[in-house]
Amino acid sequence: GAVVSQHPSWVICKSGTSVKIECRSLDFQATTMFWYRQFPKQSLMLMATSNEGSKATYEQGVEKDKFLINHASLTLSTLTVTSAHPEDSSFYICSARETGGWDQPQHFGDGTRLSIL
Amino acid sequence: DQQVKQNSPSLSVQEGRISILNCDYTNSMFDYFLWYKKYPAEGPTFLISISSIKDKNEDGRFTVFLNKSAKHLSLHIVPSQPGDSAVYFCAASAAGNKLVFGAGTILRVKS
Repeated sequence: GAVVSQHPSWVICKSGTSVKIECRSLDFQATTMFWYRQFPKQSLMLMATSNEGSKATYEQGVEKDKFLINHASLTLSTLTVTSAHPEDSSFYICSARETGGWDQPQHFGDGTRLSIL
Repeated sequence: DQQVKQNSPSLSVQEGRISILNCDYTNSMFDYFLWYKKYPAEGPTFLISISSIKDKNEDGRFTVFLNKSAKHLSLHIVPSQPGDSAVYFCAASAAGNKLVFGAGTILRVKS
């Protein structure tokens, strides 16, 4: 099946640090990748949609200067949380949709637990 | 406004019996629906999907039913196995736009 690798799985860092999270589709090409955030006992909330070679589309309320997204190839998207603060602590999950149309399912990485001290 | 609702936070089923997970939606523009399964500390795993032109899709032990008039879909797992114990999310999208997820239902299959 389609595999999405997300790295790192856990990050603990000091306030003010920038953190980069990588999302790779290992056995398929993904024109579109997505970044989600999940708060405890809540559902996945879409942060942004990343299209290869173009700027990401951010959901309302998500600061694009805070959460930098780069999708430089068909297999890699990165999310950088800039100048992270404790309120940015959360579970971040990426997904990738196979090329071939909108009716292809999204496949998810295992998420990154980000803890800002 | 929650466009996708899973009203049962949890469900407990005996091994071998049928598990039925329900999902309701409000947006009539949704035309693609998916079910995902999630274990703790892992990302969701795609299970099965259905487009709005169908009312049923089957894959092994998993069957998804779509009732467009009622804006309701359900996932049936038969027979249920202990390894099916996880959180199940339904999700919907309209014309390839973003997925909207429900809050999830915790399924516990007792042996």
